[in-house]
Amino acid sequence: GAVVSQHPSRVICKSGTSVKIECRSLDFQATTMFWYRQFPKQSLMLMATSNEGSKATYEQGVEKDKFLINHASLTLSTLTVTSAHPEDSSFYICSARDDGDGQHFGPGTRLTVT
Amino acid sequence: KQEVTQIPAALSVPEGENLVLNCSFTDSAIYNLQWFRQDPGKGLTSLLLIQSSQREQTSGRLNASLDKSSGRSTLYIAASQPGDSATYLCAVLDSNYQLIWGAGTKLIIKP
Repeated sequence: GAVVSQHPSRVICKSGTSVKIECRSLDFQATTMFWYRQFPKQSLMLMATSNEGSKATYEQGVEKDKFLINHASLTLSTLTVTSAHPEDSSFYICSARDDGDGQHFGPGTRLTVT
Repeated sequence: KQEVTQIPAALSVPEGENLVLNCSFTDSAIYNLQWFRQDPGKGLTSLLLIQSSQREQTSGRLNASLDKSSGRSTLYIAASQPGDSATYLCAVLDSNYQLIWGAGTKLIIKP
């Protein structure tokens, strides 16, 4: 079956630094990938839709200059949290859409900003 | 290794019926279990989140239960409507803080 990986699975960084999270579709090509965020005990929230070769579409309230998304190939999308602060600590999840319109989800990345 | 299974893979019922979707997992060491809805071509919508210490959660016509000891969760949908047609996914947050996903149940509600 279709597999989506995320790297790293966990990351701890200091306030003010930037962190890059990778989302890869391992055995299929994905023109569209989605990035989600989930705070503890809260629902999953869509942050942005990433389309290969074009700019990402951000949901209302999500700062595009803070959460940089790059979808440079059909198998890789990256989310960079710039100048991270403790309030950015969260669980970040990506999903990738295949040619049949199915979506496949990654295992998530736990970000802790100290 | 945690595995999540959803049965059935697809379900078609007439409008107005009550229905149950099933989710099972192999390792009871989980932080939480979540039910999501996925509409074609769109992102996920979170429906219900059950913490490991909880037994059930309710939202409107939806009720999700969790039995950790048996590794099972059910999503109950009351008085189904055509707008409920979607793919329903469950996912557990395992002991490594990773989301393990089920394959989903494709639900069709016939008018």
